[in-house]
Amino acid sequence: DIVMTQTPLSLSVTPGQPASISCKSTQSLLHSDGKTYLYWFLQKPGQPPQFLIFEVSNRFSGVPDRFSGSGSGTDFTLKISRVEADDVGVYYCMQSIQVPLTFGGGTKVEIK
Amino acid sequence: EVQLVESGGGLVQPGGSLKLSCAASGFTFSGSNIYWVRQASGKGLEWVGRIRTKANNYATTYAASLEGRFTMSRDDSKNTAYLQMNSLKTEDTAVYYCTKLGGAEGSWGQGTLVTVSS
Repeated sequence: DIVMTQTPLSLSVTPGQPASISCKSTQSLLHSDGKTYLYWFLQKPGQPPQFLIFEVSNRFSGVPDRFSGSGSGTDFTLKISRVEADDVGVYYCMQSIQVPLTFGGGTKVEIK
Repeated sequence: EVQLVESGGGLVQPGGSLKLSCAASGFTFSGSNIYWVRQASGKGLEWVGRIRTKANNYATTYAASLEGRFTMSRDDSKNTAYLQMNSLKTEDTAVYYCTKLGGAEGSWGQGTLVTVSS
């Protein structure tokens, strides 16, 4: 199975400041079709997950452009350019290049 | 709009059975793989399994930890996927989500809570 490792475990961010989350996989997520199967999603308290980013850097409809994803191969980053109060929750990366789907352990983001 | 709605959760005794449903709309259900993921309270996400499309013979793959107790199926005429759970254990207590991947159409359901307790 592909292991996904996220860092840091938690972040406390002042509103308006940037935040960055790292995700590393034990195998390349680059498929032979040219796509890299890495998702980012957010789980707000008491809510189901909601997708933010697909294929490393593509925002889902309705996701603010404050959120951006980057990386390749086995190393990926989610950046929030200016954190807002509504961004609190646990952020996860997930690979879907093969089953079982595997997830990072999550990064809890809170507001200072 | 892609939408997934789970149902069928509830309280069940250890050793019992439960069947969850995942009703889909807003996309071509018959052409989409469906995944099940669960989350115990305060924990991370755990993959349960995947059911593929008719073109792939409705092939299923399960988490090894389930030891053959769960079975996925689907009814494309009803745009619904199912998760039959047998021989339930207390450690199966979790919120169960169905999810669809596939680029910008990716979506999660709201989840259904399964509680296994005597």
